[in-house]
Amino acid sequence: NAGVMQNPRHLVRRRGQEARLRCSPMKGHSHVYWYRQLPEEGLKFMVYLQKENIIDESGMPKERFSAEFPKEGPSILRIQQVVRGDSAAYFCASSLERYGAGANVLTFGAGSRLTVL
Amino acid sequence: AQKITQTQPGMFVQEKEAVTLDCTYDTSDPSYGLFWYKQPSSGEMIFLIYQGSYDQQNATEGRYSLNFQKARKSANLVISASQLGDSAMYFCAMREARGRDDKIIFGKGTRLHILP
Repeated sequence: NAGVMQNPRHLVRRRGQEARLRCSPMKGHSHVYWYRQLPEEGLKFMVYLQKENIIDESGMPKERFSAEFPKEGPSILRIQQVVRGDSAAYFCASSLERYGAGANVLTFGAGSRLTVL
Repeated sequence: AQKITQTQPGMFVQEKEAVTLDCTYDTSDPSYGLFWYKQPSSGEMIFLIYQGSYDQQNATEGRYSLNFQKARKSANLVISASQLGDSAMYFCAMREARGRDDKIIFGKGTRLHILP
């Protein structure tokens, strides 16, 4: 019973390149959340998705960042034309239901650490 | 306005002592959930404990308990009989769900150091 799987665990990109981060939620979970963590800071919400739908992207920068959660396959966070300030740990989390008894806990993946040179 | 406040950036505690990590929150929603997560140096986020706003009793999970004081909007984490392996960052978080909006908001964290 695998947990939330994120890959790659570490990614190095040069400025201007694209970064793609993948997240496979726990089996049976249809709600996916992406968070960003800068060094020595807490997690900042980026986007909340359900299968094929973006529900809330209020935390995601308007430019260069996009996220998807297709009907088949993992959720992908895509960062185009990366800059040094994008260097951070990106965490994916999933939950069973949107909100309700027994469904409130987000299970996190191990994170993907992006370094932009 | 900050919704989750953790006022202790760092704490040093002697092994086997109890630890209280402070957390206050701000919401006007009557229905919400409060969480604590642990992040060791390896970086993963580990769920520790959950408290629902309508729960009558304080949540407990092994050595972890949540001191929930609703009127004061505080949700402090208590770790009894601390161990060296408890050294980590600890994040308090709150989940609100209004309409389509649903996210967990995290505090800035408290770094706990357990001394041998």
